[in-house]
Amino acid sequence: GAVVSQHPSWVICKSGTSVKIECRSLDFQATTMFWYRQFPKQSLMLMATSNEGSKATYEQGVEKDKFLINHASLTLSTLTVTSAHPEDSSFYICSARPLGNSPLHFGNGTRLTVT
Amino acid sequence: GQNIDQPTEMTATEGAIVQINCTYQTSGFNGLFWYQQHAGEAPTFLSYNVLDGLEEKGRFSSFLSRSKGYSYLLLKELQMKDSASYLCAVNNYGQNFVFGPGTRLSVLP
Repeated sequence: GAVVSQHPSWVICKSGTSVKIECRSLDFQATTMFWYRQFPKQSLMLMATSNEGSKATYEQGVEKDKFLINHASLTLSTLTVTSAHPEDSSFYICSARPLGNSPLHFGNGTRLTVT
Repeated sequence: GQNIDQPTEMTATEGAIVQINCTYQTSGFNGLFWYQQHAGEAPTFLSYNVLDGLEEKGRFSSFLSRSKGYSYLLLKELQMKDSASYLCAVNNYGQNFVFGPGTRLSVLP
């Protein structure tokens, strides 16, 4: 079945630094990938839709200058959290969908802790 | 607008059957999907419905009524490992998915 790989699984960084998270579709091409954020005991919140070869579409309230998304190839999207602050600590999850009426497949998520 | 409702929490006993309901109002509909998410992990796909009726996959079944904007996930022979959150999601158009708030299921011995 379709596999989405996300790296790193967890990262701890100091306040003010930037962190890059990678999301890869391993056995299918994904022109669109999705980035979610999830706080403890809450549901998934869509942050942005990553589009291969064009600008990402951000949800209302998500700062595009803080959460930089790059989708340079059909199998890779990256999310960079710039100038991270403790309130950015969260579980970030990417997902992608093969063509057709198939389900979304999720990466394993990245737990970001900003100290 | 887009709106998906699920009960916040449910509790059931090991070996029992539990039904998790989901109601939705979305601008489009290309299918309804159920995901399981254990604490600290990413969601994993369980089942989906595009047409009305029941889809059965082992201990898990999902039902859809498009005219009523209603679906349910049925879990049989509950096991302790089934304790998790269950997310209902609607593919409303293209690649766009709308997720419900999730239902936290606790399975007690």
